[in-house]
Amino acid sequence: EMQLVESGGGLVQPGGSLRLSCAASGSTLRTSWMTWVRQAPGKGLEWVANIKEDGSQKNYVDSVKGRFTISRDNAKNSLYLQMNSLRTEDTAVYYCVKDGFWTFENWGQGTLVTVSS
Amino acid sequence: QSALTQPPSASGSPGQSVTISCTGTSSDIGGYNYVSWYQQHPGKAPKLMIYEVTKRPSGVPDRFSGSKSGNTASLTVSGLQGEDEADYYCSSYAGSNNWVFGTGTKVTVL
Repeated sequence: EMQLVESGGGLVQPGGSLRLSCAASGSTLRTSWMTWVRQAPGKGLEWVANIKEDGSQKNYVDSVKGRFTISRDNAKNSLYLQMNSLRTEDTAVYYCVKDGFWTFENWGQGTLVTVSS
Repeated sequence: QSALTQPPSASGSPGQSVTISCTGTSSDIGGYNYVSWYQQHPGKAPKLMIYEVTKRPSGVPDRFSGSKSGNTASLTVSGLQGEDEADYYCSSYAGSNNWVFGTGTKVTVL
């Protein structure tokens, strides 16, 4: 069964940047859309961005457009999220998700991003 | 992209059934049969329980079932068990490769 492991979270000041990584094992990512979902402390889930199998199509929630960039490296079986101009409201656990058929099939354990001065 | 509306809480005694609603619009739930449900225990990652409105992934007990009518989807958990106590979230495709989640429902087993 596929395992997804996120890394790269941490404490960053407002306006700063972080790059999240997601490494997959047990199966290949190259045949799946991939997604980032976040969850602010004590709050619900929020879809953030997704990327097509070959990286040719990327989509973002309005609140992160122009600040976040999703990318992937199929040769490394990895997914990334470059986050720039971070705001306090970006504080959340960020989950790496492998899409299934019109659903979010496999979830990583998440990495916490805290934006605070 | 507004979140789908779920009741904040629901509860039932062991063995009983509980149904959670998820209300959206004609642009998401009402427009597509791509509603999913996720179970999340405290401190854990969400787990897929239902997809395409009614389908269960392998390994999910048949006590979990989904349905949809118009702009509202529902998740029913029959024969409630202690391990069913968790937060539940719905999600729906919202067109143009965008997705939306529900506000979440905390299910308590009394």
